[in-house]
Amino acid sequence: KQEVTQIPAALSVPEGENLVLNCSFTDSAIYNLQWFRQDPGKGLTSLLLIQSSQREQTSGRLNASLDKSSGRSTLYIAASQPGDSATYLCAVIRSGGGADGLTFGKGTHLIIQP
Amino acid sequence: NAGVTQTPKFRVLKTGQSMTLLCAQDMNHEYMYWYRQDPGMGLRLIHYSVGEGTTAKGEVPDGYNVSRLKKQNFLLGLESAAPSQTSVYFCASSNSPNEQFFGPGTRLTVL
Repeated sequence: KQEVTQIPAALSVPEGENLVLNCSFTDSAIYNLQWFRQDPGKGLTSLLLIQSSQREQTSGRLNASLDKSSGRSTLYIAASQPGDSATYLCAVIRSGGGADGLTFGKGTHLIIQP
Repeated sequence: NAGVTQTPKFRVLKTGQSMTLLCAQDMNHEYMYWYRQDPGMGLRLIHYSVGEGTTAKGEVPDGYNVSRLKKQNFLLGLESAAPSQTSVYFCASSNSPNEQFFGPGTRLTVL
């Protein structure tokens, strides 16, 4: 059974710092990996999707990498801002069509101090 | 383009009552999903559908039923609510096994 782990569970850093969130998964047979952001009491906002054949994806100040063979992904946030404060979730779909949905990690709760 | 919408946003039920949660998407997506989110457990898949008229069980299907009579709608039913079903329910949709888009959630409390 696929398990997704996110480290750290919580992180607090001063504004302006670059930071890295980590995600690991136990079964490397994945179809893609998706990073989400969730604000308190809100739904999930998709940030980046990495297909299994890709190594990284970038969107603005966000960069996500994927090392499928080692079962790891990182989300790099450059020049952090207070508005980046949220919970960040990592999720994977297994190979074979992925019709059985996403398997999620429990998230990293990020606080950016002004 | 509203994306994925969920009705209702909040609901309080008594044990044994029934209710239906409605998910609607206007992106013409084939795949739709229902997840629940609980503190300390993360999000877990309840049921999913790969097209109109199809449904399948996810990781935690017990106590729930679903229907996909129209491509744009996916209904989640609780026939006899239990306190263990207190949770936040999220619906999502995607084209094929690709990027999933989530609704705003329904916060359900069962007393």
